[in-house]
Amino acid sequence: DVKVTQSSRYLVKRTGEKVFLECVQDMDHENMFWYRQDPGLGLRLIYFSYDVKMKEKGDIPEGYSVSREKKERFSLILESASTNQTSMYLCASRTGQAKNIQYFGAGTRLSVL
Amino acid sequence: GQQLNQSPQSMFIQEGEDVSMNCTSSSIFNTWLWYKQDPGEGPVLLIALYKAGELTSNGRLTAQFGITRKDSFLNISASIPSDVGIYFCAGPPRDGAGSYQLTFGKGTKLSVIP
Repeated sequence: DVKVTQSSRYLVKRTGEKVFLECVQDMDHENMFWYRQDPGLGLRLIYFSYDVKMKEKGDIPEGYSVSREKKERFSLILESASTNQTSMYLCASRTGQAKNIQYFGAGTRLSVL
Repeated sequence: GQQLNQSPQSMFIQEGEDVSMNCTSSSIFNTWLWYKQDPGEGPVLLIALYKAGELTSNGRLTAQFGITRKDSFLNISASIPSDVGIYFCAGPPRDGAGSYQLTFGKGTKLSVIP
């Protein structure tokens, strides 16, 4: 089974803090993704990476950055957390081959106070 | 960009009832995926469809890839309390980054009354 692990299920941070969300997958997948999920807005893509050290902006990259130094790990960074970044964050991975299936982690619920 | 419209947005049903939900797009999709998200968890893949007209089952769940390739349907038979959650349809857009990304519907929230 594919396993995508997000390091924290719940986080509480202060406004202005630098926040790291970590995601690790164990299936040697080439592609990895970060989404945020908000009520009424569905899943919105923040950033994705199609290979090590490669990254592409998604639909809402402002206020975020990412790092992919190793194939299995994709980190989302909030440089200076703000209250409007309170959300559920979901990481996903996908093999570079066909099928188009993304496998998700359990999510990190981040609250910024 | 492409959008997926899911309906209904939410539904309340009695345990034992059958459920139907659908997803439509203004453009053609080559793949349809159905995910379920339990409360407080990440989405989990239920069914993947790759061919127009395809009908695929996974236990009490059945999904169909519409003939027009612009829609897909998910049916749940004899619902049980653990069916509660949000059901998402998804598919790869055909513009921009190609098949790396998925477009998601906004979900159908299912509540089951015991």
